[in-house]
Amino acid sequence: DAGVIQSPRHEVTEMGQEVTLRCKPISGHNSLFWYRQTMMRGLELLIYFNNNVPIDDSGMPEDRFSAKMPNASFSTLKIQPSEPRDSAVYFCASSLTEGSPLHFGNGTRLTVT
Amino acid sequence: KQEVTQIPAALSVPEGENLVLNCSFTDSAIYNLQWFRQDPGKGLTSLLLIQSSQREQTSGRLNASLDKSSGRSTLYIAASQPGDSATYLCAVLPLVRSARQLTFGSGTQLTVLP
Repeated sequence: DAGVIQSPRHEVTEMGQEVTLRCKPISGHNSLFWYRQTMMRGLELLIYFNNNVPIDDSGMPEDRFSAKMPNASFSTLKIQPSEPRDSAVYFCASSLTEGSPLHFGNGTRLTVT
Repeated sequence: KQEVTQIPAALSVPEGENLVLNCSFTDSAIYNLQWFRQDPGKGLTSLLLIQSSQREQTSGRLNASLDKSSGRSTLYIAASQPGDSATYLCAVLPLVRSARQLTFGSGTQLTVLP
């Protein structure tokens, strides 16, 4: 298995632009998670899905952030409009079931200027 | 609210040493605890998962222990190698299903000197 695949690896954009991050979980995994990692705050859970349904989005910072999972093999995290404070590494992770080991993608490094 | 602490934040050891990384958590009502490794520019790799009913798990040179009552876990690395250099994070999953999300520690950055 190729593991969790995220794209793009790097994204540089200007403040106010829309950013879309993409994730393909491991085939057969039922849970998908979006995390954000910064030096100041460490790893923060933004949202997680179970069987394509959003279960907990309390970590989404504000209405500028939205996430979708239209099917079991694809998810997006969108930021509109983006701001410099959104600069971070965004990770997608999946697990077979809730409580199973978590498998992370290599992340998308987002820089908003 | 669950808090996970890892001390020290950074550790440097010569190759061949055995070492212990520490993780403590404030709420003992956990479902499981996971140890991860993160290399620079990469995502996290799951190393070991210990269920709340277990005391330890082993994988190769790695051994993780769990003492739920004292809110502690340790990751023991035997005969360390330069390739073990990375940041090691622990994370706990709460018992309460409605709050089923991992809480991560801030990690210990390990450097193994050749």
